[in-house]
Amino acid sequence: GEDVEQSLFLSVREGDSSVINCTYTDSSSTYLYWYKQEPGAGLQLLTYIFSNMDMKQDQRLTVLLNKKDKHLSLRIADTQTGDSAIYFCAWRAGSYQLTFGKGTKLSVIP
Amino acid sequence: EADIYQTPRYLVIGTGKKITLECSQTMGHDKMYWYQQDPGMELHLIHYSYGVNSTEKGDLSSESTVSRIRTEHFPLTLESARPSHTSQYLCASISGISYNEQFFGPGTRLTVL
Repeated sequence: GEDVEQSLFLSVREGDSSVINCTYTDSSSTYLYWYKQEPGAGLQLLTYIFSNMDMKQDQRLTVLLNKKDKHLSLRIADTQTGDSAIYFCAWRAGSYQLTFGKGTKLSVIP
Repeated sequence: EADIYQTPRYLVIGTGKKITLECSQTMGHDKMYWYQQDPGMELHLIHYSYGVNSTEKGDLSSESTVSRIRTEHFPLTLESARPSHTSQYLCASISGISYNEQFFGPGTRLTVL
């Protein structure tokens, strides 16, 4: 079946880079997304990548896609305390529904 | 910035009460969704709608019901709340121009005593 896997926790020091990883099983995915959820809030779309791209960069965020290994990563440069949140990867494959990973809780140590 | 509103933000009620969680969007999006988010963070799709008078159940079975009488409004109802319904409920919609972006509301945190 279709599934998305993420490691549950990540802890980094302020100023370091964070790398959040995600693996998915459905090779027909067309769009892959990264969402951020702060405590008590809904999900905020950070960025997305189309499946024919390998990389997308947007300010401090870099998304890498390895289609062969079905691996998606989000790199946050110069991580700040305000980046502490839960990060979800998600993918869409043709339908108008998203499949979400279980989320990675990023903790930034001052 | 997406404009999706959910009310109430927090709700604490007793078992057996009927409740309606409201979700509205002002962007004219035709596709709307309800997710249930458990304490372990995972999101589960419980209902979705692709337009007025169209509703479908999601991947996770839910005792809740939804309606879509107007494009902008997608309320979720629990006829008789139970402690097992305690969760965070998130509403979302997709842009009609580009289906790339699913926008989320702030969520309703429901506690049933």
